[in-house]
Amino acid sequence: EVQLLESGGGLVQPGGSLRLSCAASGFTFNDYAMTWVRQAPGKGLQWVASVSGSASNIFYADFVKGRFTISRDNSQNTLHLQMNSLRAEDAAVYYCAKGLFRHSMGWSSDYWGRGTLVTVS
Amino acid sequence: QSALTQPRSVSGSPGQSVTISCTGTSSDVGGYNYVSWYQQHPGGAPKLIIYDVYKRPSEVPDRFSGSKSGNTASLAISGLQPDDEADYYCSSYAASSKLLFGGGTKLTVL
Repeated sequence: EVQLLESGGGLVQPGGSLRLSCAASGFTFNDYAMTWVRQAPGKGLQWVASVSGSASNIFYADFVKGRFTISRDNSQNTLHLQMNSLRAEDAAVYYCAKGLFRHSMGWSSDYWGRGTLVTVS
Repeated sequence: QSALTQPRSVSGSPGQSVTISCTGTSSDVGGYNYVSWYQQHPGGAPKLIIYDVYKRPSEVPDRFSGSKSGNTASLAISGLQPDDEADYYCSSYAASSKLLFGGGTKLTVL
């Protein structure tokens, strides 16, 4: 059974940093692209970043502007999102999601975690 | 890039059909066959119901169908059931390796 468990969220002051993690299990982690998507309270989904299975391809939303870094540790089946220079508008539930296809960048995600809440205040 | 445009809400009675539109541009929806649709119940994580414009994961009932014409993709739901009441989001691959989401549509089953 595929499981994705996010952690690392919490309360941080504006300008501060947080590192989110997503522990994956139930599939061959390094075969699949992974994605971070966020959802501000009462708002819609917003793509943050994606990384290919081998981490050779990484893509970011424009609003990241060098503040966030997506990475993965395939030896630990873990996805990370390092977030620096946090702003009030970054407050959201952050979901990690698994790419649908093996060995593909995976612009569709078939499994999602429950999310971790980031509060910036 | 701007978010894709969806109606804020749609509604239908049990057994009826509804369609949700998702409008983008030739640089996203119109330019690629990488449109997906997600269903999200309150407090829950999104669930993939359509990918590559019209394909369904095996566990998704065929009451859900997707299509695209020009810069607009559509999700059709037939035989509405109470559990279909949820928020629905479209997404599309966009030029320069971006992923865009729509603003979401709240489906109410009357």
